[in-house]
Order: sequence, then structure tokens, then C-alpha cells
Amino acid sequence: NAGVTQTPKFRVLKTGQSMTLLCAQDMNHEYMYWYRQDPGMGLRLIHYSVGEGTTAKGEVPDGYNVSRLKKQNFLLGLESAAPSQTSVYFCASSYPTSGSYEQYFGPGTRLTVT
Amino acid sequence: AQSVTQLGSHVSVSEGALVLLRCNYSSSVPPYLFWYVQYPNKGLQLLLKYTSAATLVKGINGFEAEFKKSETSFHLTKPSAHMSDAAEYFCAVRTSYDMRFGAGTRLTVKP
Repeated sequence: NAGVTQTPKFRVLKTGQSMTLLCAQDMNHEYMYWYRQDPGMGLRLIHYSVGEGTTAKGEVPDGYNVSRLKKQNFLLGLESAAPSQTSVYFCASSYPTSGSYEQYFGPGTRLTVT
Repeated sequence: AQSVTQLGSHVSVSEGALVLLRCNYSSSVPPYLFWYVQYPNKGLQLLLKYTSAATLVKGINGFEAEFKKSETSFHLTKPSAHMSDAAEYFCAVRTSYDMRFGAGTRLTVKP
């Protein structure tokens, strides 16, 4: 099992450019998440999905869009990148069985917007 | 709403010394609590979790945490620090659909 993988690992964008981050999981998990990590702020939830074809906003959704067309994939899009979106982005997945809600994380994507 | 607060953004210990990382939670329902570790340039890895079974939870790499309802705490401890424990540690609480993370505590281990 590869677990949770993220593509790409690094990216530099200019202000106004767009890009899509891809997250894939091979654990048949129902729930998937996108977080951003900034120094001193922990992880903040951007968007999440509780199943194929469903998405919802998290704590900091502005400037991002997501899609979950297949159960194993969760895409995060930036339509018009801004310097404030410079961050490390983590994808996670979980299977909401009773008593076990831990999330499994990908290795992260480091994005710099200049 | 559920939340966690980690006390101390940086903790420094000597190799072989006790490690104590503090986490307090706020929750209107019995909480599910987690500790994750992040090594440099890596994703988060689960250390241990509390799911209302035993109050003393043992995790990987010799870490353990004790759930204390009266103190609303879930502090992480390890009796003897190792150089390889140097990392950032996050406490988290489960909400209805995701987790809320603390700001993190960076642990430094001095030789």
C-alpha cells in the first residue's frame, strides 16, 4: 500500500496563476481532507469530503476549490494564486469506523507564490 | 466547539531526560484525542489516540499520554528522550467530521 500520496511535492507559482494539487489514497477511505500548515498555526482545514461526489468547506476555504470525482482521489485547485497561499499543503484520509477516526497524512506539497 | 491548546511552542530537553508536552482540550462531548508527530519535511504520523477506553494510552516510540477529565488535559510523556525524538508534535481533537489541531510544540533534544 502506498497510503496517501500527493503530487507535486514542490511548486512555485506567480501571482494569478492557477494549479491543481492531486491527492490519492489506496486504503478505500471514505473521508478525505485538505489542510494547510503555516508556522505557529498548526494545521487548518481547507475543504473536506465525506464521500465520492461530495465536498464541503472547512475553516479556511477562500481562494480554493476541490473535487472528489473518484473515491480514491481528492483534488485541490487554486484558480488565481496569491502570496498568502504560500504554505505547505497536506492531504489526509480516514475511515470513520466506530472508535477509530485517526487521519492518515500524505507527505505534503510545498507551494510558494511569488 | 472542540479545540485543543498546546502549552509551549518550543521545548528543549537533554538526551535521557523526561519529555513532557502539554495539551489541554475543550469539548462539550466526550472527546477523541490524538497526538501526531511531524519529522522535518515529512507528513504527520499518529503517535497515539484516546477513544474513551483506558485513560493511560501507550503509543509508538515509547510515548504515552494520560487523559485527565478533571484537568481537561492530555499531556504527552516519554521517560527518556532520544535524539531521534526531535520533531514537532501536534495534539488534536476529533470534531464531527474532522480534527482540530493545536499550534504544535517543537521538541529539541540536546546531546
